[in-house]
Amino acid sequence: NAGVTQTPKFQVLKTGQSMTLQCAQDMNHNSMYWYRQDPGMGLRLIYYSASEGTTDKGEVPNGYNVSRLNKREFSLRLESAAPSQTSVYFCASSEAVTGELFFGEGSRLTVL
Amino acid sequence: AQSVTQLDSQVPVFEEAPVELRCNYSSSVSVYLFWYVQYPNQGLQLLLKYLSGSTLVKGINGFEAEFNKSQTSFHLRKPSVHISDTAEYFCAVSAIRGGSEKLVFGKGTKLTVNP
Repeated sequence: NAGVTQTPKFQVLKTGQSMTLQCAQDMNHNSMYWYRQDPGMGLRLIYYSASEGTTDKGEVPNGYNVSRLNKREFSLRLESAAPSQTSVYFCASSEAVTGELFFGEGSRLTVL
Repeated sequence: AQSVTQLDSQVPVFEEAPVELRCNYSSSVSVYLFWYVQYPNQGLQLLLKYLSGSTLVKGINGFEAEFNKSQTSFHLRKPSVHISDTAEYFCAVSAIRGGSEKLVFGKGTKLTVNP
């Protein structure tokens, strides 16, 4: 009963380093999402993918890239990390009709 | 487009007291409504949802919410809170358009239950 699995759970980077956050879901959902959560800012959508092979920008896409590898997997890449990208990142997938979201446990990223 | 306003960013209450977390939304079309809960250092999980039917919706852990279409509100209530209810609560809305719609979230309400 895995649901949405994201890795790694914790990561510390230096400014300018790159990394990829991985996400996989086993609920056969078409849509997947990456959010970031910062204190007082709520959840902000970075990128989403409505179906395999498509991706779209959300509210805060600058500094990020995504890949929808297949129906199950949706990765988020930081090419050159900046301190402003220190955040908690959540991957989610959604049920088709209502849009109900199912979240992963989060990845806490610190950029020094 | 839809928007969600959670009127209180922080709500402190004492254990066993009742609580109401307020949520108002704006939409030009009919909507589905959700409340999510995030316990400290965890992901978000669904607390309850309104899709159709009875406007009073019951969720997990004794929470309930009432959909009020005329006031475009979906307030969350619990008659008697526990220390373990300390968490952040997010209200969310999606439009009913017959297709895949993204959820729009409010900024969250931090509920702190004190002994």
